[in-house]
Amino acid sequence: SYELTQPPSVSVSPGQTASITCSGDKLGDKYAYWYQQKPGQSPVLVIYQDNKRPSGIPERFSGSNSGNTATLTISGTQAMDEADYYCQTWDSSTVVFGGGTKLTVL
Amino acid sequence: EVELVESGGGLVQPGGSLRLSCGGSGFTFSKYWMHWVRQGPEKGLVWVSRINSDGSSISYADSVKGRFTISRDNAKNTLYLQMNSLRAEDTAVYYCAREHYDSRSNWFDPWGQGTLVTVSS
Repeated sequence: SYELTQPPSVSVSPGQTASITCSGDKLGDKYAYWYQQKPGQSPVLVIYQDNKRPSGIPERFSGSNSGNTATLTISGTQAMDEADYYCQTWDSSTVVFGGGTKLTVL
Repeated sequence: EVELVESGGGLVQPGGSLRLSCGGSGFTFSKYWMHWVRQGPEKGLVWVSRINSDGSSISYADSVKGRFTISRDNAKNTLYLQMNSLRAEDTAVYYCAREHYDSRSNWFDPWGQGTLVTVSS
């Protein structure tokens, strides 16, 4: 079965750029999606189709996807961005989630 | 405002049953495929099941196949998940999510607030 691998944790200082990776076999041939989940809340879509932002998502969130790796980039990271982030893709109509990455802003 | 609201979670003994509901509002419920996704304690997101817009096509994760049944009532704008033969490992927050789509691909937006299912004696 298809798997997506994310680092368990990423740390970033306020105002700096955070990058969260998501790896899967030929992931660049598929679309990648990213969801943000803050403690006690449900997931929220922050990036769809590799690099598109839904309305209401700040411009500091961006995405890319090439080769075997999709990347979520948060520029000028703020304390409010501290959350778990999950990548997701589709493999033969099957939903696949990455294991999640805890972003710490310190 | 597009909204999904789950209900029906609770404490159930191993081997027991529970039915979850997810009510949709602010959109034409009957036009969208719907999914259930769960999240165990301190764990990641795991897809559980999906149903197409008219209920004619259904799929399940292997871990719940034969025990869980997804269904929908478009007249009531409601999605269901009947869970039988529950196990401790089914303990999780269960989210319903709408499969949003455009001409290129599909994604999950929005998600409900989740309902907690605890399987324990």
